[in-house]
Amino acid sequence: AQSVTQLGSHVSVSEGALVLLRCNYSSSVPPYLFWYVQYPNQGLQLLLKYTSAATLVKGINGFEAEFKKSETSFHLTKPSAHMSDAAEYFCAVSGTGGSYIPTFGRGTSLIVHP
Amino acid sequence: KAGVTQTPRYLIKTRGQQVTLSCSPISGHRSVSWYQQTPGQGLQFLFEYFSETQRNKGNFPGRFSGRQFSNSRSEMNVSTLELGDSALYLCASSFRQTQETQYFGPGTRLLVL
Repeated sequence: AQSVTQLGSHVSVSEGALVLLRCNYSSSVPPYLFWYVQYPNQGLQLLLKYTSAATLVKGINGFEAEFKKSETSFHLTKPSAHMSDAAEYFCAVSGTGGSYIPTFGRGTSLIVHP
Repeated sequence: KAGVTQTPRYLIKTRGQQVTLSCSPISGHRSVSWYQQTPGQGLQFLFEYFSETQRNKGNFPGRFSGRQFSNSRSEMNVSTLELGDSALYLCASSFRQTQETQYFGPGTRLLVL
């Protein structure tokens, strides 16, 4: 069964600082990888998606993620945090073992200090 | 295009009751998936419907059921509610298959007392 590990249930950064949210997946083949963001009392919104076209994926709101097969990682970054980035972030994987049902990580809460 | 809509947004029920949640996908989307989100278990897949047929099912008891109508709208039903069913229930739609981009609704927050 595929699994996703998000290191750190909470990440705290200052406004303007680099954002780094970590995601590792368990898979021997390149899967589909996703990052979603969830604001309070809302559903999930897709930030970006990896589908093997390029290892560096650019998403919305200035976020990007790099697929590293050797490290089975798909970390999310943003050069400069904004107060509006404060939210819950979920990494998800699908397409491994013949299953296209996404498996989600437990989420990382991003806290942005002024 | 209008996004995924879910009704109702909030529900309070008591143990033993049943509940029906509704989801209207984005126009043209034929795949609808349901997820349960709780602080303890995170996001868990319930089931997926495509063209009125259940195509995939997660590891939930039979009290959880769903259906899809010919217009792709979907409902999920939970019978004999338990306290542990309190959660945010999210619906997501995609054009054809779950590996495509899924668009999520705002969710229905269910509280079981």
